[in-house]
Amino acid sequence: GAGVSQSPSNKVTEKGKDVELRCDPISGHTALYWYRQSLGQGLEFLIYFQGNSAPDKSGLPSDRFSAERTGGSVSTLTIQRTQQEDSAVYLCASSSRTSGRADYEQYFGPGTRLTVT
Amino acid sequence: GNSVTQMEGPVTLSEEAFLTINCTYTATGYPSLFWYVQYPGEGLQLLLKATKADDKGSNKGFEATYRKETTSFHLEKGSVQVSDSAVYFCALGRGSGNTGKLIFGQGTTLQVKP
Repeated sequence: GAGVSQSPSNKVTEKGKDVELRCDPISGHTALYWYRQSLGQGLEFLIYFQGNSAPDKSGLPSDRFSAERTGGSVSTLTIQRTQQEDSAVYLCASSSRTSGRADYEQYFGPGTRLTVT
Repeated sequence: GNSVTQMEGPVTLSEEAFLTINCTYTATGYPSLFWYVQYPGEGLQLLLKATKADDKGSNKGFEATYRKETTSFHLEKGSVQVSDSAVYFCALGRGSGNTGKLIFGQGTTLQVKP
């Protein structure tokens, strides 16, 4: 009965470097979400996956951000040429939602704390 | 657009005091409403939810009623404990035709003193 896991738990990187953040959702959950939690902006939605496709990428802040999901399971969020304003906690959530309903519970991982120096 | 507004914290209460954390929302259609809680050092977890007007969500002594007429979903607890100290987030999710993504309020820090 593992929950959502994320790795690494902490990442310190230099400005301009690329980083990859990983999310392992709960087994069998077809919906996967990435959010960002920062002091200035609170909790913001980034991207939504249903299976391997991403029908909603509207929250990605710039084209430096991208994400993919393979095998309907693991997802990777990639940030290219990191900037200091990318420093935040990146949260992943999964749910069993398969249809147009909003009441399915989203289960959150512990997050990856990204610090860009 | 859709948005959620929460009362600013921090909220500091003595044990056994009554808690209210205000939450109002702006949304088109009929969203579902949620309260999530983040305990120190832990991840976000669902506290309670309501999916239609006049529904009351409840869990662990906490309650919130979905009020469409006032677009509110205030969180209440009759007697708080030290273990309730956490950050509380109000959120809305849109259903049909939408992705179910959550829109969060800014969060309210609750500190309960013995």
